[in-house]
Amino acid sequence: GAVVSQHPSWVICKSGTSVKIECRSLDFQATTMFWYRQFPKQSLMLMATSNEGSKATYEQGVEKDKFLINHASLTLSTLTVTSAHPEDSSFYICSAIRDRRNTEAFFGQGTRLTVV
Amino acid sequence: GESVGLHLPTLSVQEGDNSIINCAYSNSASDYFIWYKQESGKGPQFIIDIRSNMDKRQGQRVTVLLNKTVKHLSLQIAATQPGDSAVYFCAETDNTGNQFYFGTGTSLTVIP
Repeated sequence: GAVVSQHPSWVICKSGTSVKIECRSLDFQATTMFWYRQFPKQSLMLMATSNEGSKATYEQGVEKDKFLINHASLTLSTLTVTSAHPEDSSFYICSAIRDRRNTEAFFGQGTRLTVV
Repeated sequence: GESVGLHLPTLSVQEGDNSIINCAYSNSASDYFIWYKQESGKGPQFIIDIRSNMDKRQGQRVTVLLNKTVKHLSLQIAATQPGDSAVYFCAETDNTGNQFYFGTGTSLTVIP
C-alpha cells in the first residue's frame, strides 16, 4: 500500500514561534494533499487542499497567513503554523491522493502540536 | 459535506456481535465514499470504499451500504472483536477529488 509519512510526530513549541510540519508520499506521486486538524474526540476538519505547483485552497474560516501550505513537489507538502498560540495546539493530519478522480486518500500518522 | 466539530457519538457492542455505524452526508455531488478507522493518537486507516453507482460492497468482515436517496452510508462489522474498538469516520468526495470531507465519527467500544 501507499505510504504517507508525516514529520514530526509530536512537537512542543513556545508561543510566538513557527512550526513546520512535513507530509511526504514515500512510494507514489501525490497530485493532491490535504491538511486536517483534529481536536480531541472530534472529527477531522479539512483545513486546505494543496495541489503541486499551485496555491493551496483554504476552507472557509482557515487563516491562510496563519497556516502556510507549500506543495513544492509531487511528494512533499508542508504546513507551517506561524506565530503559534496555545489555541493552535491540536492534532494535524495530512493525506495524499495519487490522482484527483475518485481515489483512496492515504493518511500520515499525524502530528501533535503543543504550544506552551 | 463539511465535517462538524461535535463530540463523538458512542457505540458499545458485545464481542462477537455485529456492529452498525451510520453516517449521513449532505452533498448530492459526492460520488465516492470511504470508511476509515482511527485508533487513539494515530492517523485514519482505510477500511472500505464505495462508489455512488453501487449500493453495497463487502470486504473481510465489513460491509458498506449506500442509500443515495436519503444520503446515508453505513458500515457493518461482523463478529466484532476487541481490536475493532476505535473511532470510525466516513469521508466523502466528489468526482474532482478536490476535497475529502469527514463525517462526525463514531466511537466504537467492544466489550469482551
